[in-house]
Amino acid sequence: GIQVEQSPPDLILQEGANSTLRCNFSDSVNNLQWFHQNPWGQLINLFYIPSGTKQNGRLSATTVATERYSLLYISSSQTTDSGVYFCAVTSLGSGYALNFGKGTSLLVTP
Amino acid sequence: SAVISQKPSRDICQRGTSLTIQCQVDSQVTMMFWYRQQPGQSLTLIATANQGSEATYESGFVIDKFPISRPNLTFSTLTVSNMSPEDSSIYLCSVDTVPFGSGTRLTVV
Repeated sequence: GIQVEQSPPDLILQEGANSTLRCNFSDSVNNLQWFHQNPWGQLINLFYIPSGTKQNGRLSATTVATERYSLLYISSSQTTDSGVYFCAVTSLGSGYALNFGKGTSLLVTP
Repeated sequence: SAVISQKPSRDICQRGTSLTIQCQVDSQVTMMFWYRQQPGQSLTLIATANQGSEATYESGFVIDKFPISRPNLTFSTLTVSNMSPEDSSIYLCSVDTVPFGSGTRLTVV
């Protein structure tokens, strides 16, 4: 099946810093989503972005489908941004079932 | 988008017992998915549940261990059978597109 690789696996930032998280995938996708899982385990969808660029406040995401990668940008990070960020994709053969990367664990310190 | 309610939100169970997790959606959906997230790990698809047919299980998951029901287009259950501590995980359901339920945090002692 399709492989999803995320980098970096871990990241520590000081509050106010910016960061870029990367997601590489091994095959064509028809859906790509970014999720944030907070320290209490709640999984929140951030972006549905199979291609192009989207922005939502301090977060933005870009997917270059032809080159099989996506980037999640976090600007002016806050302690509430801490948690695990997952990239997940669906491929043509998988219907709506999501294949998840292993995630990037982010800790934002005061 | 659809709203998903999942019950129970958490449970602590004795090894050898079974737990049934319920997933209710506020609109009719074709496909429902069940995922497992082991401690410190990513999410892994257990099975796809379609109404009116048997669930389709992913490699490494079997019906005897994780029986699934899908009696209608808004409801599904996942049972974790004959539990062991290795089954301690968060179990999540999802539907056709975006949402996930809040998950069931299961601890087996």
